Amino acid sequence: GAGVSQSPSNKVTEKGKDVELRCDPISGHTALYWYRQSLGQGLEFLIYFQGNSAPDKSGLPSDRFSAERTGGSVSTLTIQRTQQEDSAVYLCASSLTGDTDTQYFGPGTRLTVL
Amino acid sequence: EDQVTQSPEALRLQEGESSSLNCSYTVSGLRGLFWYRQDPGKGPEFLFTLYSAGEEKEKERLKATLTKKESFLHITAPKPEDSATYLCAVQAASGGSNYKLTFGKGTLLTVNP
Repeated sequence: GAGVSQSPSNKVTEKGKDVELRCDPISGHTALYWYRQSLGQGLEFLIYFQGNSAPDKSGLPSDRFSAERTGGSVSTLTIQRTQQEDSAVYLCASSLTGDTDTQYFGPGTRLTVL
Repeated sequence: EDQVTQSPEALRLQEGESSSLNCSYTVSGLRGLFWYRQDPGKGPEFLFTLYSAGEEKEKERLKATLTKKESFLHITAPKPEDSATYLCAVQAASGGSNYKLTFGKGTLLTVNP
């Protein structure tokens, strides 16, 4: 079946602009995660959605970052007033439920802030 | 704080030359240890989950093992197509956010023909 999809695959923006990154999880998966992979660093947890529960936003690095998940499916990660240090690959994952279910990753969005 | 350290950072092998990758971890109660493979420009691809010390799992030329402090990914007679970055991640059993994965920085494996 279809895996996790993300768009765009690449995004180049200028410092100070806002960007939106989209994630379509695997159909039927109730849990959705965003991670960030910076050059030379491990994947860093950003945010977690599970069903209709309040999201865990504890990994968001600043208040310029926000995310929403509409209808329990598609999610959008928004970065306002982008900075050069936001340049990274943003990865989305989904799992059947939360807990120990395997997280399946999308291909990522490579964000470059000039 | 949960920590994952992978070694070596990079490993170059000749085709057929077996070796092992290491993942050392500290976690407040292990719920699961995960191995992923990541090819350039792609997202991580799930390989294995290990839950308790002594557990082993195999897939083709790969075998993952787990102790209370570390996990090994053994690669037997590797082929060039095994070249990738291998990522290790842990999930903690305690605390309210036990769905989070804490990742190591990965081992870049290159297998030369």
